[in-house]
Amino acid sequence: SAVISQKPSRDICQRGTSLTIQCQVDSQVTMMFWYRQQPGQSLTLIATANQGSEATYESGFVIDKFPISRPNLTFSTLTVSNMSPEDSSIYLCSVASGGGVQETQYFGPGTRLLVL
Amino acid sequence: GDSVTQMEGPVTLSEEAFLTINCTYTATGYPSLFWYVQYPGEGLQLLLKATKADDKGSNKGFEATYRKETTSFHLEKGSVQVSDSAVYFCALSSFNKFYFGSGTKLNVKP
Repeated sequence: SAVISQKPSRDICQRGTSLTIQCQVDSQVTMMFWYRQQPGQSLTLIATANQGSEATYESGFVIDKFPISRPNLTFSTLTVSNMSPEDSSIYLCSVASGGGVQETQYFGPGTRLLVL
Repeated sequence: GDSVTQMEGPVTLSEEAFLTINCTYTATGYPSLFWYVQYPGEGLQLLLKATKADDKGSNKGFEATYRKETTSFHLEKGSVQVSDSAVYFCALSSFNKFYFGSGTKLNVKP
């Protein structure tokens, strides 16, 4: 399994500002994922980030609002831009390990964001 | 499309009680199935998984069996502890996409 760290672990931000969340993995991985978990809800996939290519965004999420970088095989960032209180959520980074039917996702500890 | 449905919570049990959290799935292919656990203030941790029909995943006293005939992957534990209080997510992986259930909150009282 992969060990994943995220920074910051939590933050309180003012509306209209932006926050960049970092995700670091202890091994090289091809695919990294960013999820949002709104209070008391399940996970919603924001985008898939592959190294060396543009991130692939899910329906309802756009690059201008959630720009993603993936400079190498162990690191990614997600920026939450022009924040509003509706962006208050837990943001989770995950990686896929194994292949085929053995593929498993492992998660970071999450970044808890509160927008005032 | 592919999806996962799990029982709504919260589930409240006394310590040492038997736990079942129901999970059923819809999938077009041959998915792998997972249970993840989220303790308060933490991210998701993989609890157990099964990759084919009739496989049983187990970990920390929890078990789940991949039942293709009933498209189910129910989570069970014979004797829960207060430390098992958390939110449990059922998930499936199919064609490199993951689908998560809505989560079931478990409260275990001493």
